[in-house]
Order: sequence, then structure tokens, then C-alpha cells
Amino acid sequence: DTEVTQTPKHLVMGMTNKKSLKCEQHMGHRAMYWYKQKAKKPPELMFVYSYEKLSINESVPSRFSPECPNSSLLNLHLHALQPEDSALYLCASSQDQGVINTEAFFGQGTRLTVV
Amino acid sequence: DQQVKQNSPSLSVQEGRISILNCDYTNSMFDYFLWYKKYPAEGPTFLISISSIKDKNEDGRFTVFLNKSAKHLSLHIVPSQPGDSAVYFCAASISNFGNEKLTFGTGTRLTIIP
Repeated sequence: DTEVTQTPKHLVMGMTNKKSLKCEQHMGHRAMYWYKQKAKKPPELMFVYSYEKLSINESVPSRFSPECPNSSLLNLHLHALQPEDSALYLCASSQDQGVINTEAFFGQGTRLTVV
Repeated sequence: DQQVKQNSPSLSVQEGRISILNCDYTNSMFDYFLWYKKYPAEGPTFLISISSIKDKNEDGRFTVFLNKSAKHLSLHIVPSQPGDSAVYFCAASISNFGNEKLTFGTGTRLTIIP
């Protein structure tokens, strides 16, 4: 199993809603990542979890709250988002944060629209 | 400040010919470089990488060349196949004792013409 599974694939939410994005992998990877990708822009790193602990937060606004319940799961809790937060949210995993350079597996992403 | 740049947003190549995708970077501290391929509605998939101690790495039809003095790398695909049509992202990182993170370029959309 070399898949990173993200749910939902599409999400439309209002600015007052609370929603969560989910990411799951069963490759035994110990590093998991959230990226945000706007149209015609490169993926931008948001958060990195290493061994279930938050190791990097790229100064992401607090309306985005990551959670790593266990080594296979990564959530991104969303609250009070703005329309400009509409983007493709990509989850990725790698064997270890230090070896991301060798191979990181990405999920297919969640297309988020904030209305 | 875009530290990794792919100046060609799109490229069209005839099937069977060579595809050359280019990438430039500005941060001389980058010491590891990767290429990712992305199909529509899918996440990026790792293609090939190169360390700064090398100037070439080859894997089947894919070869990556690194010119450190020019801060430039390129991906060669030979021969190009229709299934190679995708968006290609160059990415770079700095060795940081287990705290590496990727900086992506803006991507080049490659179209292989049958």
C-alpha cells in the first residue's frame, strides 16, 4: 500500500463553519505534511508532523489547526476561514522528516472552497 | 520571493523526441533537488532527485542535470511518451538535521503531441 488517502475530495464551507480535512497512510511513515496549493502556484508547506509531534508550523493562521491522533492519521481542522483560503490542500508523508528528500508520497488533495 | 523558479509555464514536445524542463534557484544553500510529476486531480508523485555532490542522475528515460555554478537544473525525458503529459514541479531543500522541507517551483505543464 503506497497510498496517501485524503477525505473529502471536495469541500464547500461557509466562513462560520467548522470542518476537518483528513489524511491517512499505512506505509509506516513517521513524517506527515500539510501543503496548500493555489491555482497556478507551487505547493506551499503549512505544517510538518514528525513522530506525531508538530515540528514545523510555517506561520499558518490559527484558523487552521492540525492534529495527529496517531502515526497513520493527520487532520486539519478549519474554523472561520476566509474566501482567500480556498485552495487545494495536499497531505503528504515520508519515511522520516529527514529523508523527505528521498521520496514523499502525496494524497490527491482536498479542493476547498470557502463561500 | 520565489526561490525556485520554472520560467516556462508550458512546453509541447512531439512524441519520441526529448523533453527538457528547466529550473533555476536562488538560494545557494539548497543541496538536494527533486522533480515531481502531477496529473490533474492527483497529488504530486516523486520522479527523480539529485544531491548537490553530483551533476547528473539517471533513471530510465529520466535524467536530471545539476549545474551548481549556474544554480540551474534540468530534467530530460527521452523518448517522450503521451503518458508523460503532466505538470512537472522542481523542488529543493536544505539539509537540516532532520528538519528539511521542500520549496517547490511554479511548475511546467508538459504536453506530448502524438
